[in-house]
Amino acid sequence: GESVGLHLPTLSVQEGDNSIINCAYSNSASDYFIWYKQESGKGPQFIIDIRSNMDKRQGQRVTVLLNKTVKHLSLQIAATQPGDSAVYFCAENRLPGAGSYQLTFGKGTKLSVIP
Amino acid sequence: DTGVSQDPRHKITKRGQNVTFRCDPISEHNRLYWYRQTLGQGPEFLTYFQNEAQLEKSRLLSDRFSAERPKGSFSTLEIQRTEQGDSAMYLCASNPGTAGYGYTFGSGTRLTVV
Repeated sequence: GESVGLHLPTLSVQEGDNSIINCAYSNSASDYFIWYKQESGKGPQFIIDIRSNMDKRQGQRVTVLLNKTVKHLSLQIAATQPGDSAVYFCAENRLPGAGSYQLTFGKGTKLSVIP
Repeated sequence: DTGVSQDPRHKITKRGQNVTFRCDPISEHNRLYWYRQTLGQGPEFLTYFQNEAQLEKSRLLSDRFSAERPKGSFSTLEIQRTEQGDSAMYLCASNPGTAGYGYTFGSGTRLTVV
């Protein structure tokens, strides 16, 4: 079935560098996307979201880019810090009115920050 | 209200026993979701409530699984006759029901079936 997936399972970056985590999705009906951060033993923590009528959204040190043409989503973390070490998941949802309310998650990318 | 609370945090049970987990969502959130996460995988949707109504269930939710949200506030997830394959993290999430709003997850209940 249609799914959300990630290009790289692990990513190691030097502290202070920028990180880019990628995600490909195949569900053409996807119109809302969320990035989550999950630390060991904890539940997923909301980072940033984006709707399909946007191609870029910025938060504090994070930027999400959406390319609907190639069905690609990325999360950019500026000046990566040791506290950013975690597993990052992208998730997709169809906004209410389009059927399902569930989130579909990818497998995750583990980000390791080297001090 | 500090977020979504789940209880217990950890549960070890023998195969064949029944277990029940509880989730307390953020108080003003009318939507509540249960997900299951196995090691190295992303969370998988199990079921969803809007207030007290269970509106959607995944095919992953076998007959041994039942979820309730009797008063539209807290929810329980029961697994009967547990199997080793049920070992996972069970996550609860809630959101206020506004279109496109992010979900807030709890810390989960880690179930180990021995």
